[in-house]
Amino acid sequence: DAGVTQSPTHLIKTRGQQVTLRCSPKSGHDTVSWYQQALGQGPQFIFQYYEEEERQRGNFPDRFSGHQFPNYSSELNVNALLLGDSALYLCASQWSGELFFGEGSRLTVL
Amino acid sequence: AQTVTQSQPEMSVQEAETVTLSCTYDTSESDYYLFWYKQPPSRQMILVIRQEAYKQQNATENRFSVNFQKAAKSFSLKISDSQLGDAAMYFCAYRPRAFTDKLIFGTGTRLQVFP
Repeated sequence: DAGVTQSPTHLIKTRGQQVTLRCSPKSGHDTVSWYQQALGQGPQFIFQYYEEEERQRGNFPDRFSGHQFPNYSSELNVNALLLGDSALYLCASQWSGELFFGEGSRLTVL
Repeated sequence: AQTVTQSQPEMSVQEAETVTLSCTYDTSESDYYLFWYKQPPSRQMILVIRQEAYKQQNATENRFSVNFQKAAKSFSLKISDSQLGDAAMYFCAYRPRAFTDKLIFGTGTRLQVFP
C-alpha cells in the first residue's frame, strides 16, 4: 500500500512566478491537508480539502489556492511567489483522525 | 489563541539512556488531542504517540511514553532505551477535538543520539 506521495520533491522558482505542487493520498483516504514548514519551524496549516471542497483554511493569503480531484488527489497552487514562500510543503491525508504525511516538496524562491 | 511551545531547541542522549522532551500548550478548550511527531532527515512526519485529553492515563507506545499534565498544560515525551534511529526533529502538536482537523505545531526539538 503506497503512502502519501508528493511531487516534485525539489523545485526552484523566481519571485513572481507561479508553482503547482501535487499530492496523492493513501489509498481510501478522502481528506487532504497542506502544511507549510519554513526552515527551523514547525509546520503551519494552509488548508484542507474534503469531497473536492476547501473545508478549512489557515492564515494564508489568497495567493495560496488548492484543488481536490475526484480520485482525492490534490494540488496546491501558489501565485506571485515571494522569497518568504521558500519552505517545505507537506501534504497529509487523513483517516480516523490520524494524519499520514508525505515527504514534502522543497520549494526555493530566488 | 492556541499555541504550542517547545523550549528545548536541541537535546542529546547517549544510546540506551532515557531522554525527556518538553512541550507546553495554551488553550481554553477542555477536549482535545495532543501528539508527538518525529521528522527524520527524510522529512516525512511520523506519528510517535497520541494522547486524548479526556483520558487521564498517559499514553505509551513501546519505548515512548508521555507525561500529560492537563492542569499544567504540559505534555512531555519520554524516550527510553534510546537508539541511534531515534535521532530526528520531534514536534509536539495540538488539535481541538471538535470542529477542526487543523494541527498546531511547536517549533520542534532536535534530538541527537550518541553511541
